[in-house]
Amino acid sequence: IAGITQAPTSQILAAGRRMTLRCTQDMRHNAMYWYRQDLGLGLRLIHYSNTAGTTGKGEVPDGYSVSRANTDDFPLTLASAVPSQTSVYFCASSDRPGGEAFFGQGTRLTVV
Amino acid sequence: GQNIDQPTEMTATEGAIVQINCTYQTSGFNGLFWYQQHAGEAPTFLSYNVLDGLEEKGRFSSFLSRSKGYSYLLLKELQMKDSASYLCAVAPEDKIIFGKGTRLHILP
Repeated sequence: IAGITQAPTSQILAAGRRMTLRCTQDMRHNAMYWYRQDLGLGLRLIHYSNTAGTTGKGEVPDGYSVSRANTDDFPLTLASAVPSQTSVYFCASSDRPGGEAFFGQGTRLTVV
Repeated sequence: GQNIDQPTEMTATEGAIVQINCTYQTSGFNGLFWYQQHAGEAPTFLSYNVLDGLEEKGRFSSFLSRSKGYSYLLLKELQMKDSASYLCAVAPEDKIIFGKGTRLHILP
């Protein structure tokens, strides 16, 4: 089934640990995005990529890094997790930059 | 900078009509989206406007005025399953920025 898949679904992580959230899409979309969603703050863009090999900073990039080695994968890495990074993380993709976005099912991350 | 405003919460009655407003100020504009998000789920696409005017899709319609930086989502014949958050999002060039969302409560 075509779509966008995130892993893990949920994770509890000790502060200071490194963590990579995975995102894979099989729709051959050019653009991919990472958002975090927090109560009262809505979806906030962390990083995005318009095409393989390029990335850009969103609204809240600090503490996160991304890579886009190929079209399908867009991992998000927390180098040293802090409790304020506790959130629900959504990956999304669109066929063109700024086009209709399709979302993964989300990853619920708790940093303790 | 980017700024997208929409009401935090709204309440409406089953069978009625509700209009959710969104105002935006962005550097660049490549279109405006509305998404629906049920609690605990991912957002799903509802509509896209890039030109001024009304786009109708079944019970849902979306309107855009680029000169006013204004959009609304109109939901007709409300059903209990329409209880959800409705997210207004703008594409200023090559990314998509979301407002904080409007939580819509439907009363029987």
